[in-house]
Amino acid sequence: NAGVTQTPKFRVLKTGQSMTLLCAQDMNHEYMYWYRQDPGMGLRLIHYSVGEGTTAKGEVPDGYNVSRLKKQNFLLGLESAAPSQTSVYFCASSYSQDTGELFFGEGSRLTVL
Amino acid sequence: AQKITQTQPGMFVQEKEAVTLDCTYDTSDPSYGLFWYKQPSSGEMIFLIYQGSYDQQNATEGRYSLNFQKARKSANLVISASQLGDSAMYFCAMSYLSNFGNEKLTFGTGTRLTIIP
Repeated sequence: NAGVTQTPKFRVLKTGQSMTLLCAQDMNHEYMYWYRQDPGMGLRLIHYSVGEGTTAKGEVPDGYNVSRLKKQNFLLGLESAAPSQTSVYFCASSYSQDTGELFFGEGSRLTVL
Repeated sequence: AQKITQTQPGMFVQEKEAVTLDCTYDTSDPSYGLFWYKQPSSGEMIFLIYQGSYDQQNATEGRYSLNFQKARKSANLVISASQLGDSAMYFCAMSYLSNFGNEKLTFGTGTRLTIIP
């Protein structure tokens, strides 16, 4: 029962480096989301996807790109990391348009120096 | 625009007492959902309870109940008989439809609840 799995769990980057966070879900969910969590800000939506091959911008999309080449995977990319992108990133997925309940991964802590 | 407001950054409650975590929301959509999530110190997000905007009765899940007052646009979480394991960050969230027709959630800033033995 893996649910939603995020890799890596922790990463330290230097300003300007690039990296990709991988989110994988084994629940056959159509919808997937990337959030970032910052102190005092709650969770803010970065990008989301309503199905394989589709992506859309959330509240704070700048500096990030995403891809959903396979239904089970949702990738979040940082092309040129900045200290402002130091955060905890959560991936989530959902199956229902009725309740909207999200199933979350365990989070990935990213530090940009 | 949808907005969730949690005005209590932190709360301290004696063990076994009931606690109410406040949440107010703002939306012009007639159809929406309200959620509460718990985030313990380990970091994962745990779904607690859901209330639909058309639901007539307040939602309950074990020791959790959602006090839904639609006219006041409030969706407070009530935890009865609090336990030490309830110490965590609690987030209120509201679902709304995106342009694609799927549900998205917007979150409040959270309330950190500490249960005192």
